[in-house]
Amino acid sequence: EAQVTQNPRYLITVTGKKLTVTCSQNMNHEYMSWYRQDPGLGLRQIYYSMNVEVTDKGDVPEGYKVSRKEKRNFPLILESPSPNQTSLYFCASSLKWGAGGELFFGEGSRLTVL
Amino acid sequence: AQSVTQLGSHVSVSEGALVLLRCNYSSSVPPYLFWYVQYPNQGLQLLLKYTSAATLVKGINGFEAEFKKSETSFHLTKPSAHMSDAAEYFCAANFGNEKLTFGTGTRLTIIP
Repeated sequence: EAQVTQNPRYLITVTGKKLTVTCSQNMNHEYMSWYRQDPGLGLRQIYYSMNVEVTDKGDVPEGYKVSRKEKRNFPLILESPSPNQTSLYFCASSLKWGAGGELFFGEGSRLTVL
Repeated sequence: AQSVTQLGSHVSVSEGALVLLRCNYSSSVPPYLFWYVQYPNQGLQLLLKYTSAATLVKGINGFEAEFKKSETSFHLTKPSAHMSDAAEYFCAANFGNEKLTFGTGTRLTIIP
């Protein structure tokens, strides 16, 4: 089954404790991206990757890192989480960005930082 | 600035009634436009998309949307609401950069 898989789905952590949210897609998509969803703000892009080893900042990259060493994986790293990073995170992928290509989303990772 | 606006953060309709969710975009060039649906504890699922082939776009679950350039709108409709339509709906646009720009979402409630 074609899918985007995120782990963990739910996580409660404390300020400053490094964490990684994994994202993997099995559709051989070139483009991958991370969004965060907050009430009243919709979804905002954190980072994106057009292909392996190519990543760039989105609208809200502060406090996050990413890497794209393999085509299928695009982990999101919070080096020192803070309470304002409490949010619902979505990983998404697309075959090749542009010309109306749609995004396929994972099921989300709900992160709480105490 | 390029943006997507959804009017009404909450919309309630009776079962069997018309569903109308509003979306307007701000851009000098018409973007590619999308409607996504999010059910509780799930990711976003594509309902339909406009890519300039036809102004009236039909999607899944009986939804459709009409692109109106003169009104910079892409409103989502369904003739008869069903209880299973209760969810949050997001309008999004690709303005030609490296992301989708999302509206703030509309939560649809269906009244039995």
